[in-house]
Amino acid sequence: AAGVIQSPRHLIKEKRETATLKCYPIPRHDTVYWYQQGPGQDPQFLISFYEKMQSDKGSIPDRFSAQQFSDYHSELNMSSLELGDSALYFCASSLGLAVSYEQYFGPGTRLTVT
Amino acid sequence: AQKVTQAQTEISVVEKEDVTLDCVYETRDTTYYLFWYKQPPSGELVFLIRRNSFDEQNEISGRYSWNFQKSTSSFNFTITASQVVDSAVYFCALSGTSNTGNQFYFGTGTSLTVIP
Repeated sequence: AAGVIQSPRHLIKEKRETATLKCYPIPRHDTVYWYQQGPGQDPQFLISFYEKMQSDKGSIPDRFSAQQFSDYHSELNMSSLELGDSALYFCASSLGLAVSYEQYFGPGTRLTVT
Repeated sequence: AQKVTQAQTEISVVEKEDVTLDCVYETRDTTYYLFWYKQPPSGELVFLIRRNSFDEQNEISGRYSWNFQKSTSSFNFTITASQVVDSAVYFCALSGTSNTGNQFYFGTGTSLTVIP
């Protein structure tokens, strides 16, 4: 069965650069969630989208923005990168908000900021 | 507020020992879901189990078993006859609802090391 796809899997950037992470949900899934997991920490919710509209917002820095496109894939844009942005970024998808408890996680993108 | 507490930060056991990972949660919702995920060193989150708040039946899957007790707001995970491959970080999580946000709330994780 198709799973959530995230690209790239690994990304190395320098401070003050920008980065774009991509998430392709499971086919027919219309809801996407982004989580950030710092080293030794638990995943923290950043933001979610349902039918291309932002549905919830968590602890996402103002330097970050995200959107969901007409094909339901989502992109997380990160600007003015800081060392503290180094983390594993997970994307998850579900078939609607009503079944958000059925979130399927992607393999993650490991971002390293040097 | 939604909150998950995993008081055990690190646990080490010798292979073939049994080990229980504790999870305590807080929620005001009457309907909610609890999860356990395994995160090996490679980093991906491996889904282990999902339980809804109306199903307190314990579950066993091979060497894994889960004890859900609403009276104590706990959802503990036991690995029987542990193996080296069980070494990983284990996260307990609670799902939100449309009132509290649909995101997952994770505990801080328990790092399990199984010593051969």
